[in-house]
Amino acid sequence: NAGVTQTPKFRVLKTGQSMTLLCAQDMNHEYMYWYRQDPGMGLRLIHYSVGEGTTAKGEVPDGYNVSRLKKQNFLLGLESAAPSQTSVYFCASSYPLGGMNTEAFFGQGTRLTVV
Amino acid sequence: DAKTTQPPSMDCAEGRAANLPCNHSTISGNEYVYWYRQIHSQGPQYIIHGLKNNETNEMASLIITEDRKSSTLILPHATLRDTAVYYCIVGQSNDYKLSFGAGTTVTVRA
Repeated sequence: NAGVTQTPKFRVLKTGQSMTLLCAQDMNHEYMYWYRQDPGMGLRLIHYSVGEGTTAKGEVPDGYNVSRLKKQNFLLGLESAAPSQTSVYFCASSYPLGGMNTEAFFGQGTRLTVV
Repeated sequence: DAKTTQPPSMDCAEGRAANLPCNHSTISGNEYVYWYRQIHSQGPQYIIHGLKNNETNEMASLIITEDRKSSTLILPHATLRDTAVYYCIVGQSNDYKLSFGAGTTVTVRA
């Protein structure tokens, strides 16, 4: 059982380039999330999805777009990368939070550097 | 506005219990308390969560005060592998998301 898999694990981009980060989960979770983590800080929510075909903005959505065409995949796109987007990106998935048997599962992260 | 307040850091001796405090004085009746930890830049890992009763699992115990304004995560026998950043998070059921603060950096020393 792979859990949450992020691709790629590392990437260096030049300012203005675009790229897509892929998140895949095999737990049949409805909810998926993209977070970013800057050095010494906690995770901040970029976008999230509560089901196939749906997306919503989190705390820091500017400069990013997302798509959830398939239930198991959640894509994060950077259309024109900026140095301020240098960060570690984490994807997560979960059932509805709260109650019994609910937890979010996180991927191992994508380390992105924009030069 | 931060929903939780945690000490920035704490040390613990290996083999001893680690008690991690968290204040959440503005918690509302339908909000849960979640604990996650992050080991050396890995993805965060779920530890435990609760609403108002104390909870225990194979990793830790969660003690929530009667007024629910604070809680304590207890790692009963800390090991070096428990060195991590621990996040206390408050969130509503079906809120769809977790909001992470700065957490507490716990260092377990031999």
